[in-house]
Amino acid sequence: DAGVIQSPRHEVTEMGQEVTLRCKPISGHDYLFWYRQTMMRGLELLIYFNNNVPIDDSGMPEDRFSAKMPNASFSTLKIQPSEPRDSAVYFCASKATAPGTIIYFGEGSWLTVV
Amino acid sequence: KNEVEQSPQNLTAQEGEFITINCSYSVGISALHWLQQHPGGGIVSLFMLSSGKKKHGRLIATINIQEKHSSLHITASHPRDSAVYICAVGRGSQGNLIFGKGTKLSVKP
Repeated sequence: DAGVIQSPRHEVTEMGQEVTLRCKPISGHDYLFWYRQTMMRGLELLIYFNNNVPIDDSGMPEDRFSAKMPNASFSTLKIQPSEPRDSAVYFCASKATAPGTIIYFGEGSWLTVV
Repeated sequence: KNEVEQSPQNLTAQEGEFITINCSYSVGISALHWLQQHPGGGIVSLFMLSSGKKKHGRLIATINIQEKHSSLHITASHPRDSAVYICAVGRGSQGNLIFGKGTKLSVKP
């Protein structure tokens, strides 16, 4: 398997623009997580899905952020409108349900909002 | 106070040294994860454990549930071990992770 695939790897956008980050989890994994990493706050969970259903979105900073998982092989994280404080690395990760299984991270999407 | 505390924040070692990174947590957990993040940003899961000890190559992870403490040990350290090591605790059956701030390890040749 190719692992968790994220796109784009890097994005630079202007404040106010819409940003869409994409993720393809590992086939067969039931859980998908979106995390954000900043220097100030480290890694934080934004939202996670189980079997394509959002389970916990309490980490989503505000209404400008939204996430969808229309099917088992694809998820998006959208920021509209983007602000400079959204600049961060956004990681997607997936995990199987079986006990004791580890979580697999994508390479991350490096977002800069200017 | 953070729910997950790691020590030290930074660690410099000479090649070949035995390294220990500590993680303490203050919440009930279902499992504890050790992650490795290399320069360039990719994150790799090293261990997930809920009791006892696990070993993989030169890496050993232990957890003491009663004391709410875990350690990651690296034997015969090598410059390629240089990375940030992150402790994270999971809550609930599969739930989300709460992350420590990470320990930046630099191993000098």
